[in-house]
Amino acid sequence: GQNIDQPTEMTATEGAIVQINCTYQTSGFNGLFWYQQHAGEAPTFLSYNVLDGLEEKGRFSSFLSRSKGYSYLLLKELQMKDSASYLCAVSDSNYQLIWGAGTKLIIKP
Amino acid sequence: EADIYQTPRYLVIGTGKKITLECSQTMGHDKMYWYQQDPGMELHLIHYSYGVNSTEKGDLSSESTVSRIRTEHFPLTLESARPSHTSQYLCASSALTDTGELFFGEGSRLTVL
Repeated sequence: GQNIDQPTEMTATEGAIVQINCTYQTSGFNGLFWYQQHAGEAPTFLSYNVLDGLEEKGRFSSFLSRSKGYSYLLLKELQMKDSASYLCAVSDSNYQLIWGAGTKLIIKP
Repeated sequence: EADIYQTPRYLVIGTGKKITLECSQTMGHDKMYWYQQDPGMELHLIHYSYGVNSTEKGDLSSESTVSRIRTEHFPLTLESARPSHTSQYLCASSALTDTGELFFGEGSRLTVL
């Protein structure tokens, strides 16, 4: 079967750095997405990785290792508004997205 | 700024009623999707479309139907709502390119009594 694993919940302090991991097992791989979803709102796109390595975009970076079936999202200089769920999704061999259940990130002052 | 709209945002109805959730996008995207999401849970794909007159069922078994008569419009219909249909329904669209990110509507929160 296909599955995406992420931690259910993480807590971090304002101003700190947090790394959210995602491991996947899918039939084929055509890229990995990270989305942010605030409570009661729709997901919004954060990043896309299809090649191994680190993609940096402001305070957010995303890393991919295809051989390990592993990705992480790195958030720096955490702000209270970063409190949200972070969803990992993999595009499989049919270009269908397989979604993780999301990691709820709680930021404390 | 994504231009994808869903109505209604919130709906409370009785069991057995027929409902249609509307979704429209003005970005000219060929791909459109309907997802169901319960609080704290993953998104489940219930229907998708690659263009006009194209509709496919997703991985979640659902007593719903969709149509795609126009590129911009992708309504979801429940013929007879049941309490198990209570959930958040998210519409999304993307361009046909393989790396197309999804743009989501704000969601329709359905409660069936």
